[in-house]
Amino acid sequence: GAVVSQHPSWVICKSGTSVKIECRSLDFQATTMFWYRQFPKQSLMLMATSNEGSKATYEQGVEKDKFLINHASLTLSTLTVTSAHPEDSSFYICSARDSGRAPGELFFGEGSRLTVL
Amino acid sequence: DAKTTQPPSMDCAEGRAANLPCNHSTISGNEYVYWYRQIHSQGPQYIIHGLKNNETNEMASLIITEDRKSSTLILPHATLRDTAVYYCIVSLRDSSYKLIFGSGTRLLVRP
Repeated sequence: GAVVSQHPSWVICKSGTSVKIECRSLDFQATTMFWYRQFPKQSLMLMATSNEGSKATYEQGVEKDKFLINHASLTLSTLTVTSAHPEDSSFYICSARDSGRAPGELFFGEGSRLTVL
Repeated sequence: DAKTTQPPSMDCAEGRAANLPCNHSTISGNEYVYWYRQIHSQGPQYIIHGLKNNETNEMASLIITEDRKSSTLILPHATLRDTAVYYCIVSLRDSSYKLIFGSGTRLLVRP
């Protein structure tokens, strides 16, 4: 099956620094990728839709200047948490759509756990 | 977008069938029902989807009622590794087809 890889799987950073998370589709081209965040014991919350070659579309309440998304190629999208604060500590998960499959059949990465001290 | 309602938790014995219900009474005619699951601290995994006919694959079966207002995911022979949170999602019919996750059902498979 299609594989989506995230890196790093976990990261600890100091408050005020920026952290970049990568999401790669390893064996298919993904024109659309999605970024979610998940707090402990809660469901996934969609943050933004990332389209290759264009600006990301952010969900209501998500600060686009704080969560920078770049989808520069058909296999890579990045999420940068800028000026991270402890409340940004969360599990960040990306997903990608394989155009050869049903529109809602997404492939998810393993997730990246961010801890901001 | 159509919302879904699922019981917060269920359990079943290992080897028995697990039947997970989902209500989606406001679903529109061209919206699909998708099922995903999330094992602890991992990314979600696609299970199955359907429009109006029942569907079966190597993981599960999906039964959709004739009026499409509810569906049931069936894991025919649950194993301990099926313990996870199961999400029933109705797809948004816009150009992005983004998936909005609800609270899901936490399934515990007992030995």
